[in-house]
Amino acid sequence: AQSVTQLDSHVSVSEGTPVLLRCNYSSSYSPSLFWYVQHPNKGLQLLLKYTSAATLVKGINGFEAEFKKSETSFHLTKPSAHMSDAAEYFCVVSAFLTGTASKLTFGTGTRLQVTL
Amino acid sequence: EPEVTQTPSHQVTQMGQEVILRCVPISNHLYFYWYRQILGQKVEFLVSFYNNEISEKSEIFDDQFSVERPDGSNFTLKIRSTKLEDSAMYFCASNTEDWGSTGELFFGEGSRLTVL
Repeated sequence: AQSVTQLDSHVSVSEGTPVLLRCNYSSSYSPSLFWYVQHPNKGLQLLLKYTSAATLVKGINGFEAEFKKSETSFHLTKPSAHMSDAAEYFCVVSAFLTGTASKLTFGTGTRLQVTL
Repeated sequence: EPEVTQTPSHQVTQMGQEVILRCVPISNHLYFYWYRQILGQKVEFLVSFYNNEISEKSEIFDDQFSVERPDGSNFTLKIRSTKLEDSAMYFCASNTEDWGSTGELFFGEGSRLTVL
């Protein structure tokens, strides 16, 4: 079984300040973890992924996340927020099903608001 | 860059009507999925499909839902008799045979279904 908990449903930051979106996971396996972003009226775009290689993962648009097994966390960070970062962010864990297809389990999402 | 495409982007239908949502996965992908997102809720897994059969389905995917790959390129989701609660954004996704290394999925931009 696997699950994802996004600790904040809504985060508001000022432009130019750091972003921290928190995610904790639970998985029976060594997990693959992802952050997806969804801009208004748009589809899901992969920001970054962790797949048991380096624990600090860099993604697109200056985002990065650190996998911490001891804390079962995969928090998303960015040093300096931009107005265009305003979107819904989903932390996602992957499970491999019975040797055939994988399935993603989504968190409930964190809405990031960026203010001037 | 190859992408998953979905049609229609938005469909409005009357309760009880049949709806078919269409997806064209990335051409060398072998695993196909449908997810949905009811407004304000998290993204939920519906069904996975591999080798012309369903690999797994969630409890949401009841007898009124069906999927098929009719012609080797399209992947469709049919809802036989729509209900109000079927109103949602439906996302198609696919990945390659090499899923085992990442479990990453490639998503389309979604089809918004509105049932009146």
